[in-house]
Amino acid sequence: DVVLTQSPATLSVTPGERISLSCRASESVDTYLHWYQQKPNESPRLLIKYASQSISGIPSRFSGSGSGTDFTLSINGVELEDLSIYYCQQGNSLPFTFGSGTKLEIK
Amino acid sequence: EVQLVESGGGLVQPGRSLKLSCLASGFTFSNYGMNWIRQAPGKGLEWVASISSSSSYIYYADTVKGRFTISRDNAKNTLYLQMTSLRSEDTALYYCARSESYFDYWGQGVMVTVSS
Repeated sequence: DVVLTQSPATLSVTPGERISLSCRASESVDTYLHWYQQKPNESPRLLIKYASQSISGIPSRFSGSGSGTDFTLSINGVELEDLSIYYCQQGNSLPFTFGSGTKLEIK
Repeated sequence: EVQLVESGGGLVQPGRSLKLSCLASGFTFSNYGMNWIRQAPGKGLEWVASISSSSSYIYYADTVKGRFTISRDNAKNTLYLQMTSLRSEDTALYYCARSESYFDYWGQGVMVTVSS
């Protein structure tokens, strides 16, 4: 199974900051790497598909990059509403797997 | 508007069975693969099972293989998860989600609690 390692586990941020979240795969997943945001007591929401493709309705401050085993989700100008847990997920091979998440907190 | 509405959850004793349903609307259900994904209380996300649009391809996580069965009725726009031999570690919020590599729409989830 492909193991996805997300870092950091928790990130304390100041509104307005540009931040980057990391997701590393135990083997290549090409660009079959997707990002989700989950706010407390809500269902996950797709943010980025295929490593860097934007999703309709998602603010442009969210962007993704990477291929193979190293991926990054960037938020350019964090807003209070972005405080959530962020998960990466690989769809390259079964079983589909998720990272353990990065929790964004206010500093 | 795409909507996925799960139902059928509840409290069940270990070893018993439960069947979840997910009613889809707002899109052509028969054109999309569907999935079940679960989240134990306070934990991360775990993919459980996938089914292709015509039910030709079905896949399970090892943790549920042989105990859970995913199915669909395209005439009723409904996805199912038959769960048998339930264990305490199956306690989770179960989401149905659309699509085949990424999950673009999710339901609100239905809680399954396995406890005596």
